[in-house]
Amino acid sequence: GDSVTQMEGPVTLSEEAFLTINCTYTATGYPSLFWYVQYPGEGLQLLLKATKADDKGSNKGFEATYRKETTSFHLEKGSVQVSDSAVYFCALTPKAAGNKLTFGGGTRVLVKP
Amino acid sequence: GAVVSQHPSWVICKSGTSVKIECRSLDFQATTMFWYRQFPKQSLMLMATSNEGSKATYEQGVEKDKFLINHASLTLSTLTVTSAHPEDSSFYICSARDDGTRNEQFFGPGTRLTVL
Repeated sequence: GDSVTQMEGPVTLSEEAFLTINCTYTATGYPSLFWYVQYPGEGLQLLLKATKADDKGSNKGFEATYRKETTSFHLEKGSVQVSDSAVYFCALTPKAAGNKLTFGGGTRVLVKP
Repeated sequence: GAVVSQHPSWVICKSGTSVKIECRSLDFQATTMFWYRQFPKQSLMLMATSNEGSKATYEQGVEKDKFLINHASLTLSTLTVTSAHPEDSSFYICSARDDGTRNEQFFGPGTRLTVL
């Protein structure tokens, strides 16, 4: 079945550091890929998405590129802020699955001033 | 923006009792809602897809008689954990898919269930 693997955390960074969270997936066909973020005490929010190979999703300074050849969707941000401290989830949905999401395990990111 | 609420945010109950969790889409209609379960430091696992006016679709391995889902309106789905036991203690999260043009899922903040 479909699965998503992302790097385990916690990841601790200093403010303005570069952030990368690796995400790889296994799925039949060409799924849509997502990054969700969960801030403390809040629900998951969609951060960015990509629906086909080579698409780049971007939002709030975060980027991720849909790489079919490596089945990856790594999340990057060039300069993190304390407010980026959260748990980040990589997820996929098969095109015909009615938006059923398969999530990775989540990566907690802590940015220190 | 689209908001999904869950009630209660946390609940503690005795073993053998039933607990109902509500999921509401506050500013949009949602024919379809999803219920997830999240164990500590683990991923979200889809339990079931809730469809307004029809029976829920459960994922493999999820007991439908234990986790009763009712989706009686376009803005409300409920999950009832029947005869709860300590192993049912978990974080339950719902999401609602916007029927409008966005077709995006919006997540609730989750409900922490602790069964003593």
